[in-house]
Amino acid sequence: NAGVTQTPKFRILKIGQSMTLQCTQDMNHNYMYWYRQDPGMGLKLIYYSVGAGITDKGEVPNGYNVSRSTTEDFPLRLELAAPSQTSVYFCASSPLGEKLFFGSGTQLSVL
Amino acid sequence: AQRVTQPEKLLSVFKGAPVELKCNYSYSGSPELFWYVQYSRQRLQLLLRHISRESIKGFTADLNKGETSFHLKKPFAQEEDSAMYYCALTNTDKLIFGTGTRLQVFP
Repeated sequence: NAGVTQTPKFRILKIGQSMTLQCTQDMNHNYMYWYRQDPGMGLKLIYYSVGAGITDKGEVPNGYNVSRSTTEDFPLRLELAAPSQTSVYFCASSPLGEKLFFGSGTQLSVL
Repeated sequence: AQRVTQPEKLLSVFKGAPVELKCNYSYSGSPELFWYVQYSRQRLQLLLRHISRESIKGFTADLNKGETSFHLKKPFAQEEDSAMYYCALTNTDKLIFGTGTRLQVFP
């Protein structure tokens, strides 16, 4: 039982590059989330989805895009990476939007 | 606006001492509150939720609507309690987190 799987675990990007952070879950959860964790700032919600085909902005969506074509997958796309996007990114899923199951995180550096 | 405030970035105690991690919230409605914990090199995970009224690993948290607080307490801290603790509030379909408190328990 893998739970929530994020790839890659680490990535270094140059300013202006693009990349996709992958997230997949095998628990058939409807709700999925992307958070970023910055020191002293806690977790900030980037985007979330309450089901396949439905996505919504969170607190800090600028510079990111998401899609939810299947229940299992919720990729996060950075189109033009900026140093302000250096952070640890966490994907999470939930059956009902309450108890969240988190992935192990992706540490991203933009230089 | 819905908000969760954790005023302490760091809380350091000795083993066996009582612990209280503070959490205050602002929410228009009936909130559902949670404590999540992140141990070193582990995933963020749910510790407890107020509607369960349970004690997990010796921790308890009581929702005080008058003071809009949901402080996490443990009477006798253990070294293995050292971790990052996040208070969170459900807002419709999403969870809003506080900035977190790092708990250090010294031997």
